[in-house]
Amino acid sequence: AQSVTQLDSQVPVFEEAPVELRCNYSSSVSVYLFWYVQYPNQGLQLLLKYLSGSTLVKGINGFEAEFNKSQTSFHLRKPSVHISDTAEYFCAVIRMDSSYKLIFGSGTRLLVRP
Amino acid sequence: DAGVIQSPRHEVTEMGQEVTLRCKPISGHNSLFWYRQTMMRGLELLIYFNNNVPIDDSGMPEDRFSAKMPNASFSTLKIQPSEPRDSAVYFCASSPGTGNNEKLFFGSGTQLSVL
Repeated sequence: AQSVTQLDSQVPVFEEAPVELRCNYSSSVSVYLFWYVQYPNQGLQLLLKYLSGSTLVKGINGFEAEFNKSQTSFHLRKPSVHISDTAEYFCAVIRMDSSYKLIFGSGTRLLVRP
Repeated sequence: DAGVIQSPRHEVTEMGQEVTLRCKPISGHNSLFWYRQTMMRGLELLIYFNNNVPIDDSGMPEDRFSAKMPNASFSTLKIQPSEPRDSAVYFCASSPGTGNNEKLFFGSGTQLSVL
């Protein structure tokens, strides 16, 4: 079975500071990796994804994530956050032998303060 | 494109009543998903349809839950009878199709409160 762990339930940060949201996964088979963002009272939106190739992937809104196979991690980063980045962020995986079943982490609430 | 449309946005009902949640996926998308989000359990996949056919319903909690997709543009999730522990946000999502489900498009969700 695969699982996704987001160790931080909430990350407070000041505006224009850098941020890293952590994600670790476990799986017996290779996986695709994703970050989704959920703004208040909205559904989830895809932020970025890693399918293959370069381990550093860039997404929307200035976010990027790096796939580290040896550490089974896929941490999300942004060099300078804005108030508007306040949201819930979900890391997720899909097993390569299952094309549909997204397994989500528990989420990390990013709280950007002025 | 209007995106994935869910209705109602909010539903408050009493225990024992039947609840029907509705979803209109993005036109042309072949895959449809129902997810449930709670504080305790996070996001859980309830059921997955491909080309209107239920492929995986292993996440459906119990027989009180049922889902249908009578055509490519409409799906329902029904709870009968409803219980307070069913209170959650229910999301519908769609994607272009088999082998290309790495990007899901989510609706805004239905906030269900069972009193």
